[in-house]
Amino acid sequence: AQSVTQLGSHVSVSEGALVLLRCNYSSSVPPYLFWYVQYPNQGLQLLLKYTSAATLVKGINGFEAEFKKSETSFHLTKPSAHMSDAAEYFCAVSDPPQVQGAQKLVFGQGTRLTINP
Amino acid sequence: DGGITQSPKYLFRKEGQNVTLSCEQNLNHDAMYWYRQDPGQGLRLIYYSQIVNDFQKGDIAEGYSVSREKKESFPLTVTSAQKNPTAFYLCASIIRGGSNQPQHFGDGTRLSIL
Repeated sequence: AQSVTQLGSHVSVSEGALVLLRCNYSSSVPPYLFWYVQYPNQGLQLLLKYTSAATLVKGINGFEAEFKKSETSFHLTKPSAHMSDAAEYFCAVSDPPQVQGAQKLVFGQGTRLTINP
Repeated sequence: DGGITQSPKYLFRKEGQNVTLSCEQNLNHDAMYWYRQDPGQGLRLIYYSQIVNDFQKGDIAEGYSVSREKKESFPLTVTSAQKNPTAFYLCASIIRGGSNQPQHFGDGTRLSIL
């Protein structure tokens, strides 16, 4: 069964500092991986996705993530944090269609990112 | 603009009452999903539907029911059998066969107990 672990339920960084949010997954086959962002009382917005193409994926708002099969990781980074990055971030994994019919995402527990001025 | 509309944004339920959360999409997506979000637990799948008049239970379907009479609509009923319904409920959709595509989410409904 798939699972996702996000290390650190709460991460705090200074404005302008590196953001690193960790995500490790377990899957029986090379998965599809997604990072979403959620602002208070809103739905989830896609930041970026990995679907077996380039291992370094660039997303919106300056975020990027690197798929490392050997480490079963898909960590999210941003070189310089901005106050507007304060939100909750979710990593999600999905098996490719040859394993299942409908897409079924399994989400991590989320990481709340706080930006200090 | 295409998107997913969830209503109401806030909903209150009395003891023993069933309540229905609305989800409508105009993205022409085939598959639709309902998730429950609790603090510190991420999102958990309640029900999903790939086509009209067909739906499957997710991981936490007990105490919930759904219908899919139209492609655009996937309402969720929280029944009185759901003893802990207080949560943030999110609806999502995706093109059928689009496993490598992201799910699109509505802005959620927050359900509380009176």
